[in-house]
Amino acid sequence: DVKVTQSSRYLVKRTGEKVFLECVQDMDHENMFWYRQDPGLGLRLIYFSYDVKMKEKGDIPEGYSVSREKKERFSLILESASTNQTSMYLCASSLSGMGSPLHFGNGTRLTVT
Amino acid sequence: QKEVEQNSGPLSVPEGAIASLNCTYSDRGSQSFFWYRQYSGKSPELIMFIYSNGDKEDGRFTAQLNKASQYVSLLIRDSQPSDSATYLCAARRDSSYKLIFGSGTRLLVRP
Repeated sequence: DVKVTQSSRYLVKRTGEKVFLECVQDMDHENMFWYRQDPGLGLRLIYFSYDVKMKEKGDIPEGYSVSREKKERFSLILESASTNQTSMYLCASSLSGMGSPLHFGNGTRLTVT
Repeated sequence: QKEVEQNSGPLSVPEGAIASLNCTYSDRGSQSFFWYRQYSGKSPELIMFIYSNGDKEDGRFTAQLNKASQYVSLLIRDSQPSDSATYLCAARRDSSYKLIFGSGTRLLVRP
């Protein structure tokens, strides 16, 4: 079974802090993704990576950056946390290929106060 | 217009009935489609995917795809209270890594 592990289940940070969300997958997947999920807005793609050191912006990249130094690890960075970044953050990974589904981690619920 | 649209629900069905969840998509370049189930407070889990026109069955679940009408559906036979969750539809272009998700339909199965 694919395992995608997010380092924290719950996180509380203050406005202006730099925040790191870590994600590790154990199935040698090429692709990794960061989504946020908010009530009424659904899942929105922040960034994704299709290879080590490669990244592409998703639909809402503003205020975020990412790092992928190793194939199994994909980090999301909030450069200066703001209250509107309070959300559920979901990491996912997949193989390449048309039928390849996303496998999600358990999520990190981030609260910025 | 959203790229992937779902009725937010809730869709309420009695236990043992067939639940029918629907999804439409706007991008004709979409080639593969996925159904995820998400329990409250949990992350989405894959139920099944489909990329050929027609039906695909897996246990109590049947996915249906009609590319001409840009329509995907998920049927759940013999619905159980444990099926109560939000169901997310997602679409992907063949040339893309990205999945585009709908906002989800909340399903309630009444005992």
